[in-house]
Amino acid sequence: QVQLQQSGPGLVKPSQTLSLTCVISGESVSSNIAGWHWIRQSPSRGLEWLGRTYYTSKWYNDYAVSVKSRTTINPDTSKNEFSLQLNSVTPEDTAIYYCAREDLGSGLDAFDIWGQGTMVTVSS
Amino acid sequence: QSVLTQPPSVSGAPGQRVTISCTGSSSNIGAGYDVHWYQQLPGTAPKLLIFGNNNRPSGVPVRFSASRSGTSASLAITGLQAEDEADYYCQSYDSSLSGWVFGGGTKLTVL
Repeated sequence: QVQLQQSGPGLVKPSQTLSLTCVISGESVSSNIAGWHWIRQSPSRGLEWLGRTYYTSKWYNDYAVSVKSRTTINPDTSKNEFSLQLNSVTPEDTAIYYCAREDLGSGLDAFDIWGQGTMVTVSS
Repeated sequence: QSVLTQPPSVSGAPGQRVTISCTGSSSNIGAGYDVHWYQQLPGTAPKLLIFGNNNRPSGVPVRFSASRSGTSASLAITGLQAEDEADYYCQSYDSSLSGWVFGGGTKLTVL
C-alpha cells in the first residue's frame, strides 16, 4: 500500500525558504494515475491547498493563487519523492504541512493518502 | 473564511443521527465538482471518509453517508459512537480559483 513519509525542519526564520520532502513508498512518483500535493493547516486559515505535481507523458505543476509566486513543487524520480519550497516566509506561514496523494485514475479529485504532517514554525 | 462553509460544531448523544452541512457556490459544488469528506482525529492527518459524493473507502462504516444538492452537500452519521468524536471537513474543486478548496471544519462532540 502507498505510504507517504515527510521530513524537514520544524523552524524557519522569517524571509527564508521553507523546504519539506515527502518520500513515497508503494508507488512511483512518476505514476500516471497519481497526483502529489502539498496542503497546510493552521488555526487562522484552516486547510489550505498549496499545489501539486503530476506526470502524464511529462511533468505538470499547479499552484494555489495565494502562494504561486513563491512556491515550487518538484519531483525527484531518483529518490521517489517530491518536495515543497516556499520562499520568503512570514509568521503567517506557520502551519502543519501535509503531503497527500490524489487518485488521478479514478477521475476524482480527492486525497486518499496523507503524510503524517510536519509542524513548521516561522520565527526568528 | 474558507471557500466552503461548515458549521463550527455539532453534537449528539450516542446512537443518535447528526448531519454536517457544507455550503459552496456556483464555481465549486454548484458547478458539479465532486464533494469529499475527511475525518480528522486529534493530532493526526485528515483521513478520507467519503469520496465522489457518497462512496466510502474500504473500512469506513456504513453509518457514514453523504449527499449533495445544488451548491450544498451534507454528511450524515447515524448510530453515533464515542469514537466518532473528531473534526470533519468537506472538500471540492473550485474553477474560479483553479484549485482545491476545503470547508472550515466541524467539530463533532458525542455527548
